[in-house]
Amino acid sequence: EDQVTQSPEALRLQEGESSSLNCSYTVSGLRGLFWYRQDPGKGPEFLFTLYSAGEEKEKERLKATLTKKESFLHITAPKPEDSATYLCAVRTHTGRRALTFGSGTRLQVQP
Amino acid sequence: GAGVSQTPSNKVTEKGKYVELRCDPISGHTALYWYRQSLGQGPEFLIYFQGTGAADDSGLPNDRFFAVRPEGSVSTLKIQRTERGDSAVYLCASSLGAGVAHALHFGNGTRLTVT
Repeated sequence: EDQVTQSPEALRLQEGESSSLNCSYTVSGLRGLFWYRQDPGKGPEFLFTLYSAGEEKEKERLKATLTKKESFLHITAPKPEDSATYLCAVRTHTGRRALTFGSGTRLQVQP
Repeated sequence: GAGVSQTPSNKVTEKGKYVELRCDPISGHTALYWYRQSLGQGPEFLIYFQGTGAADDSGLPNDRFFAVRPEGSVSTLKIQRTERGDSAVYLCASSLGAGVAHALHFGNGTRLTVT
């Protein structure tokens, strides 16, 4: 069974204090790993797709990386508007189209 | 353009009642997904449509849950004989196709509360 575990569950940072969120996965053949951002009362918003180990993607203050067992979402010099829950999801080679999500990391950036 | 629209945004119903939740996907998106999200958890897959047909309904928890997409656009999730454990946010997502390169675009969900 595919498993996705995110850590930490919650993270509080000061504005400008860089950090990383972790997503570890156990799947039977990864087709893609996805990062989403979710604000309270909203649906998840797509950030990145990573397909293979060694791949990196960047968007503003966010950079996502992928290894064979885990992915990291690095946040550089975060701002209060980066506060949100960050969700990681995987899609596998089983033929299913569904994504399996982790429980997310709740990030709070204080000014 | 317009995103995925879900109505109602909130629904309160009594245990045992029937509810329908509606999803209007992004125009031209052929793939449509329903997920359910409980507090503090990630979304959990329910059902996937490609066009009008349910291509994968393996996530539906039991036969009280049913979904349709008769014309390949709007979809309705139907829950019979609701139970308190059905309370959650029901999310709809659509994508241009079913390939892994096609990102899912989510609506803001319907918060269902069963009293």
